[in-house]
Amino acid sequence: AQKVTQAQTEISVVEKEDVTLDCVYETRDTTYYLFWYKQPPSGELVFLIRRNSFDEQNEISGRYSWNFQKSTSSFNFTITASQVVDSAVYFCALSEDLPSTGTASKLTFGTGTRLQVTL
Amino acid sequence: SAVISQKPSRDICQRGTSLTIQCQVDSQVTMMFWYRQQPGQSLTLIATANQGSEATYESGFVIDKFPISRPNLTFSTLTVSNMSPEDSSIYLCSVEDPRQGYEQYFGPGTRLTVT
Repeated sequence: AQKVTQAQTEISVVEKEDVTLDCVYETRDTTYYLFWYKQPPSGELVFLIRRNSFDEQNEISGRYSWNFQKSTSSFNFTITASQVVDSAVYFCALSEDLPSTGTASKLTFGTGTRLQVTL
Repeated sequence: SAVISQKPSRDICQRGTSLTIQCQVDSQVTMMFWYRQQPGQSLTLIATANQGSEATYESGFVIDKFPISRPNLTFSTLTVSNMSPEDSSIYLCSVEDPRQGYEQYFGPGTRLTVT
């Protein structure tokens, strides 16, 4: 069975600080996808990134960066120079199935990390 | 990315009644998914809805309680039947967008409160 662990329940930082959100996953499959989503107070889930298990290159998108390490089964998310608008709950998720191959790409979510950025 | 809308955005319902939630996508998609997010909790998949076939339910969810329709490639409904306060949750639909490498996007959610 697949499992996603986000051990940090809540993190508080002051604006402009860097912050890393941890995600550890468990899966027996060799092919899988990892996701990060942002859920602001409005409740909508915002897609941030999808990474497949064959691509361990780190990714950077503006102030966001992701560090994927298969050796430790981790897919951590770093926000550089955090801003108040980054305040949200962040979810890490895992899909063991390939997208749209006829099997459902069911997402298993972690419990989320609530990030509070203050001035 | 796919644009997904849900109706209603929120509702307050009486115990024992049913509510049907609609999910509309601006493009044709094969798979649509329904998730539940209980207050302060993570998301849990209820079922997968493929056009032209019966929905596939996850463990702990049954068709009698959460009937799903998928009449075409852009629309689906989820009904929460015989509601109890434990059904108070956010219900979200999601789709894989083939135009975006099958990344999975979510609708804005339906906030349901059962009294």
